Amino acid sequence: SQQGEEDPQALSIQEGENATMNCSYKTSINNLQWYRQNSGRGLVHLILIRSNEREKHSGRLRVTLDTSKKSSSLLITASRAADTASYFCATDAENYGQNFVFGPGTRLSVLP
Amino acid sequence: NAGVTQTPKFQVLKTGQSMTLQCAQDMNHNSMYWYRQDPGMGLRLIYYSASEGTTDKGEVPNGYNVSRLNKREFSLRLESAAPSQTSVYFCASSYGTEAEQFFGPGTRLTVL
Repeated sequence: SQQGEEDPQALSIQEGENATMNCSYKTSINNLQWYRQNSGRGLVHLILIRSNEREKHSGRLRVTLDTSKKSSSLLITASRAADTASYFCATDAENYGQNFVFGPGTRLSVLP
Repeated sequence: NAGVTQTPKFQVLKTGQSMTLQCAQDMNHNSMYWYRQDPGMGLRLIYYSASEGTTDKGEVPNGYNVSRLNKREFSLRLESAAPSQTSVYFCASSYGTEAEQFFGPGTRLTVL
């Protein structure tokens, strides 16, 4: 079973709106990462947040982490058509040498 | 810098054939990974190499073998391909297993 799962599976918004994606996980973590994948491409790292951090920002991206609820959220503000992609959370796990386990992703469509 | 490169980009095999997927990174990273991505499943770790000279199984290692040829190169071998191995394969690298990962462009493999 997967350590992390994103919600919703798919999201469609208008350009300029904010997009929020959530990630829930099952076991305690040290780190959580968010990645973006454009269609047909490899994943690109967005943000890493550690278990002792509650919020991180990078440009138009804001990530929060609530370890008591075992959840994280990724907020993209003022979305653009170029933000259309799949977004994945990855959580480290005690299995597989503390490697990261990826969720199934959220497909975001930003309509012009 | 080329980052993470993978060859080939596309491959079609018949059941029972063998092949090796090549991966190289020029970022002096210690850790390298092989993932497969199937629709709706996110990425699943096949094998990883935490450092030069070591390799370990991930979540779905059956039917695969790997070689960490040197610090730069990490290859994935399918000895006897099966239709269930039809997937997109991604190689990634990082400074350590808890760090952000850099992904290659992927190899689309179809096994008939």
